[in-house]
Parts: sequence; structure tokens; C-alpha cells
Amino acid sequence: EVQLVESGGGLVQPGESLRLSCAASGFSLSSYDMNWVRQAPGKGLEWVSYISYSGTTRDYADSFKGRFTISRDNAKNSLFLQMNSLRAEDTALYYCATSAAAGTGYWGQGTLVTVSS
Amino acid sequence: DIQMTQSPSILSASVGDRVIITCRASQSIGTWLAWYQQKPGKAPKFLIYKASNLESGVPLRFSGSGSGTEFTLTIGSLHPDDFATYYCQQYNSSPYTFGQGTKLEIK
Repeated sequence: EVQLVESGGGLVQPGESLRLSCAASGFSLSSYDMNWVRQAPGKGLEWVSYISYSGTTRDYADSFKGRFTISRDNAKNSLFLQMNSLRAEDTALYYCATSAAAGTGYWGQGTLVTVSS
Repeated sequence: DIQMTQSPSILSASVGDRVIITCRASQSIGTWLAWYQQKPGKAPKFLIYKASNLESGVPLRFSGSGSGTEFTLTIGSLHPDDFATYYCQQYNSSPYTFGQGTKLEIK
């Protein structure tokens, strides 16, 4: 069964850091470009970051440049998102997902990040 | 950045109706457009890629069309399971923006 499982979310204070992980099973992550997408409570979907299948190309929405870093470990079939200098407005459910360009859309169930003092 | 605008934001319809959701891009994106369905408390479900290609397993009552700046998602005959929120996303150029969503509700 194809599965993506995110982890690493939690409650942090403003200014703190979190590292999210996304573990793939049932398929080889190394074949896919990947994205992180987030959804604030009651809001729509927001694209956060992209990484190519090899890891050589990375991209971020402007709101996250300099604060978030996407990475992957294809040997461990895993994707990561390092989030620094977190703000209250970063509170959201964070999803990992394969790129739509692949013609296949695998999504995890999300991991909740809450930033609050 | 490319802005994606969906219309309507809310659509009321009945089981058996044919519905059309529109997604407009602020500049041409070719056919680099995807559609997703999301139900409350669930992850988005990938429906269509490259504007008109149905993901495996998606019912044939769903179809997508368009190119350039104007796209549509059509549901041929609504089933009870189709009431959800639908999003378009362009993946022509970064940032890979989503539309604001269309909530399809029961009339």
C-alpha cells in the first residue's frame, strides 16, 4: 500500500524551530519530485516548498525563504522540512505530497504545527 | 506570482446535477493544472493532472478541460460522495499556487 506519513509537528513557542519528516512506504520516493503544502485552520491550501527527485533543485514560497529548508534522504525514503523562527501564522497542518507533474498525487495525512506562547 | 481564482466560492447543487467549477490563472500556464478534492478532516485527494488527465481510480463523471488561463472541472452527475471542497493548483511556475477553493454543498 502506498503511504506517506508525516511526523514531527507539535506545540512550540514563537521563534522556536521544528523539523518535520515524511516517510514513504509502498513506493520509492527517489522517483518523485516532492512538495510541502500547508493548511491553516479553516483555510485553503498553501504551497510551501518543492524539491526535485534528486534533491538538486529546491524552491520556496517567498514567505518561507530563509526560514524553512526542504531536504530529502532517498536512501531512507524520507522527506524533511526544517522550520526555523516560527511565527503564530505558521500554525497549520503540514502535508507532504508528490508533485502533480508526476501525474500521480500521493498525500500524507498531515502533521499539525501550533505556534503559540 | 501567478494568481489562481476559482468561481464560484460556494456552489449549491443536488444529487444528479451537472456542475462546473472554473479556475482562472492570472497568466498563461499552458495545461499545467491539477484539481484536488478535500473533505473535512481529510487530506486532499488528487483528481486531475495536466488539466484534463484523470488520476487512476477517479470516477469518470469527473472531467477537466482548458488551457492557457481558463480551466474547468466538471462533475457529470453529482453523487452524494462528491460534496466537498475543490481546489485547483498551477504547477507551471513557482510559486505553485492554489486557488482559494470551491465548496460544493448540498442544496
